[in-house]
Amino acid sequence: GNSVTQMEGPVTLSEEAFLTINCTYTATGYPSLFWYVQYPGEGLQLLLKATKADDKGSNKGFEATYRKETTSFHLEKGSVQVSDSAVYFCALCDSSYKLIFGSGTRLLVRP
Amino acid sequence: EAQVTQNPRYLITVTGKKLTVTCSQNMNHEYMSWYRQDPGLGLRQIYYSMNVEVTDKGDVPEGYKVSRKEKRNFPLILESPSPNQTSLYFCASSFSIGRDYEQYFGPGTRLTVT
Repeated sequence: GNSVTQMEGPVTLSEEAFLTINCTYTATGYPSLFWYVQYPGEGLQLLLKATKADDKGSNKGFEATYRKETTSFHLEKGSVQVSDSAVYFCALCDSSYKLIFGSGTRLLVRP
Repeated sequence: EAQVTQNPRYLITVTGKKLTVTCSQNMNHEYMSWYRQDPGLGLRQIYYSMNVEVTDKGDVPEGYKVSRKEKRNFPLILESPSPNQTSLYFCASSFSIGRDYEQYFGPGTRLTVT
């Protein structure tokens, strides 16, 4: 079946460091891909999305590119802030319109 | 303010005591769903509803019930809770069902069953 695999965390970085969180997927057809973010004590919020191959989603300085050839959707940010500390979930929406989540990656940014 | 609300936010209960977690959205969304979040497993869908009186099972429906009598409300019912249902629960809604529709999540309900 369809699935999403994320790198295990926690990822600990110093402020202004470069961030990459890896995400790969397995799916039939052409799913839409998403990154959701969960701040402490809150629900998930959509961070960015991409709906077709080579699309780049971006928001709040975060970017991710839909790579069909490598079935990947890695999240990147050039300079992280303490306020970016959260749990990040990669997800796909398949042809049955079901949202499938990865296990989440916790990011901790230290001042 | 557009939002999804859940109540209660925290609940500690005992095995076998029926409980209901409420979920309400004020965005006139057709699609609503319930997820549970467990460490290392991400979010798994319990039930979903595509409209009033239309509900269906997700990936982990055992031990749960839902109803959708009004468009805005989608309560989650645990008729006889067990310790393996201790988890963090999220309700979500979206305008419709489809690959491009963003899901909006509630703040979560942390349930502990002893």
